[in-house]
Amino acid sequence: DQQVKQNSPSLSVQEGRISILNCDYTNSMFDYFLWYKKYPAEGPTFLISISSIKDKNEDGRFTVFLNKSAKHLSLHIVPSQPGDSAVYFCASGRVTGNQFYFGTGTSLTVIP
Amino acid sequence: EADIYQTPRYLVIGTGKKITLECSQTMGHDKMYWYQQDPGMELHLIHYSYGVNSTEKGDLSSESTVSRIRTEHFPLTLESARPSHTSQYLCASSDPRTGWSSGANVLTFGAGSRLTVL
Repeated sequence: DQQVKQNSPSLSVQEGRISILNCDYTNSMFDYFLWYKKYPAEGPTFLISISSIKDKNEDGRFTVFLNKSAKHLSLHIVPSQPGDSAVYFCASGRVTGNQFYFGTGTSLTVIP
Repeated sequence: EADIYQTPRYLVIGTGKKITLECSQTMGHDKMYWYQQDPGMELHLIHYSYGVNSTEKGDLSSESTVSRIRTEHFPLTLESARPSHTSQYLCASSDPRTGWSSGANVLTFGAGSRLTVL
């Protein structure tokens, strides 16, 4: 059973607007959350993370929000740029665990 | 610039062949992983290693095997490939010593090996 779910396979946004990518997880024991970005023919690259002691983490144009009660996190990209077009994977796990669990990814297209 | 290298990037082979997917990292990371990803699906952990001579199976059952004789090298082997093994295989590494607070200990991925078994 999937422990991390990204229910939107794709998203299109106009350049300059906000992109919001969503992710849900099922395991309340998860205490660390990450977003990865993947371009075609490349491996995923780390984008931003958040621990369960925070509800927001910001890095430039990228902000991750965590709602522990809803077991939900989101990635906001403001303003969106064409170079942001990629597949975004959400991952969750425990600091003391062996692995991160990944979602199926959301393909973001930023239209110039 | 990639610090973790996978070869081959693409491989098409016939059923029953033995294949080895190579993975090397230059970062000195102790932990290494193999993930398998089918199109439109999540990444599934199939193997991981805490260090030299350490190998463990991940959540997703796999007929592949791995070895960790050197810190930098974590090859994956399929003794007899089948069409059901067709997938993308992603190698990754992490350094648990760097801690969590800064977002470190994140996984660094290679570019992947796309395997097609006919």
